[in-house]
Amino acid sequence: DGGITQSPKYLFRKEGQNVTLSCEQNLNHDAMYWYRQDPGQGLRLIYYSQIVNDFQKGDIAEGYSVSREKKESFPLTVTSAQKNPTAFYLCASSTATWPSPGFLGQPQHFGDGTRLSIL
Amino acid sequence: GNSVTQMEGPVTLSEEAFLTINCTYTATGYPSLFWYVQYPGEGLQLLLKATKADDKGSNKGFEATYRKETTSFHLEKGSVQVSDSAVYFCALNSNYQLIWGAGTKLIIKP
Repeated sequence: DGGITQSPKYLFRKEGQNVTLSCEQNLNHDAMYWYRQDPGQGLRLIYYSQIVNDFQKGDIAEGYSVSREKKESFPLTVTSAQKNPTAFYLCASSTATWPSPGFLGQPQHFGDGTRLSIL
Repeated sequence: GNSVTQMEGPVTLSEEAFLTINCTYTATGYPSLFWYVQYPGEGLQLLLKATKADDKGSNKGFEATYRKETTSFHLEKGSVQVSDSAVYFCALNSNYQLIWGAGTKLIIKP
């Protein structure tokens, strides 16, 4: 079955440590996204990528970094510069890229998320 | 700027009750509108969508109609079940990203 796989499900970070969250998709989707979810809030966009070797900052990119070396993979690194990293992180993908026709009607498909906590 | 406002939760209903979760939006242009559902500890799943005014999205007994005149996309279900307990998110898509509401937690009691 096609889908998005996020790993690990739970992750703990020590002070001053960088950690990397994995996101892999086998849907052959061009666009991939990283969101942060905090309790009682909607999703906030961290980074997105519409093509291999290219990515753009979202609304809350500070303290995070990404890479897109392969179409199916979009790992997120939470750096030590992110002072409040405790959250639920969601990866998503979509078949359409902006501003192609039909982009607006295409949904995003989500992984099951990674919960990051501070030790 | 674009924004989505959902009714605050939690919404608590008895099984077989009628459900409405309100969603209103502010957007330029002609956005697409979505409802997603999130079960505990999981990612989000697309529930339904509508891409133009007066479209009705439906899935699993849930419905929502894209009302441009009232800038609304309220989620409804005629008879809820315990298994519908989850967090529901309204979202709009008017450019490169989805804009999300804060989510509404729905609790269905047997």
